[in-house]
Amino acid sequence: KNEVEQSPQNLTAQEGEFITINCSYSVGISALHWLQQHPGGGIVSLFMLSSGKKKHGRLIATINIQEKHSSLHITASHPRDSAVYICAAMESGGATNKLIFGTGTLLAVQP
Amino acid sequence: NAGVMQNPRHLVRRRGQEARLRCSPMKGHSHVYWYRQLPEEGLKFMVYLQKENIIDESGMPKERFSAEFPKEGPSILRIQQVVRGDSAAYFCASSRDRLNTEAFFGQGTRLTVV
Repeated sequence: KNEVEQSPQNLTAQEGEFITINCSYSVGISALHWLQQHPGGGIVSLFMLSSGKKKHGRLIATINIQEKHSSLHITASHPRDSAVYICAAMESGGATNKLIFGTGTLLAVQP
Repeated sequence: NAGVMQNPRHLVRRRGQEARLRCSPMKGHSHVYWYRQLPEEGLKFMVYLQKENIIDESGMPKERFSAEFPKEGPSILRIQQVVRGDSAAYFCASSRDRLNTEAFFGQGTRLTVV
């Protein structure tokens, strides 16, 4: 079992729909990242959070530390939101603060 | 303030050649992480460096792979005698320090071994 699990693996939505991507982790963390990657493209950091909720434009990220669960929401989805969304846990303790990645959620938003 | 710069963006090497991937962190950042993304797989940690020091190389293959982050210049990930299985996207991320955990990623280097 992966230390960071995402669901769903693939998601197709119609333009305008509200989208939720879930992330569960089994390790102790100091922070959790949500990343976006376009096919063949680089990685963009969307959020880093260690508690509560953050909002940026149409994107909202929440985390529940007790339940070891985070969600990424996209409101009023648009075809340009089509990308792979990756959850990454920053493991607490140790000297490294390395990220442990989920396998990603491939989102396709159709017009 | 330029972001994390990786070059080259694409690199083609024949089996047995050497590949050198470069990463220039953001200005003021002295911590660099290298990650590898194999085809159809997720990202995996390779190595964590601070200026002139390797802090954690637990994700690096034991042979043929090495990394450095000299006092001056970019961080280098070096792969000797490349094999087809080394074909992947290699991403670098930098941060200001270990406690400031905001990490910024480069565009990646896509290595193809033919």
